[in-house]
Amino acid sequence: GIQVEQSPPDLILQEGANSTLRCNFSDSVNNLQWFHQNPWGQLINLFYIPSGTKQNGRLSATTVATERYSLLYISSSQTTDSGVYFCAVVIYNQGGKLIFGQGTELSVKP
Amino acid sequence: GAVVSQHPSWVICKSGTSVKIECRSLDFQATTMFWYRQFPKQSLMLMATSNEGSKATYEQGVEKDKFLINHASLTLSTLTVTSAHPEDSSFYICSPRDTRENGYTFGSGTRLTVV
Repeated sequence: GIQVEQSPPDLILQEGANSTLRCNFSDSVNNLQWFHQNPWGQLINLFYIPSGTKQNGRLSATTVATERYSLLYISSSQTTDSGVYFCAVVIYNQGGKLIFGQGTELSVKP
Repeated sequence: GAVVSQHPSWVICKSGTSVKIECRSLDFQATTMFWYRQFPKQSLMLMATSNEGSKATYEQGVEKDKFLINHASLTLSTLTVTSAHPEDSSFYICSPRDTRENGYTFGSGTRLTVV
């Protein structure tokens, strides 16, 4: 099956710093999603991004489908950005289930 | 946006008892429901996929007789952990599929502790 790998596994930032999180996937995909899981466990959908670049405030994401990777950029990080960031690929021929990467745990210090 | 209600948020139960977790989609109808389990410091692992009115499809290694899933309506699905043991302690998350949008929605999760 498809393998999804994320890096780095952990990241500590000072408030205001920028960061780039990476997601590699082993096979062609039709859909890739980025999620943020806050410290209380709630998952929030950040981006649906099968290809190209999208921006939402201080966050942006780029997927290069032909090279099988996606990047999540966080600019001017805030303490509320802390949590775990997951990327996941969608398996449409299996009911649309998600295959998650292992996540990047981000801690933003004041 | 899609609103999902999952409860209880946390539950402590004795070994050997059963626990039921409910997941409701409040403002949309979900023909498909995904149930995930997440152990501490780990990723989400899909347990099963259920479609309204039909039997759930379980992932390899997940015991269907232990984790009973009911998806009798388009707005409610339940996961029952039967004869729970300490190794079942985990964070369980439901995800009703909202086909109106490309995004995915998630319940707030249930933290189960079996003592």
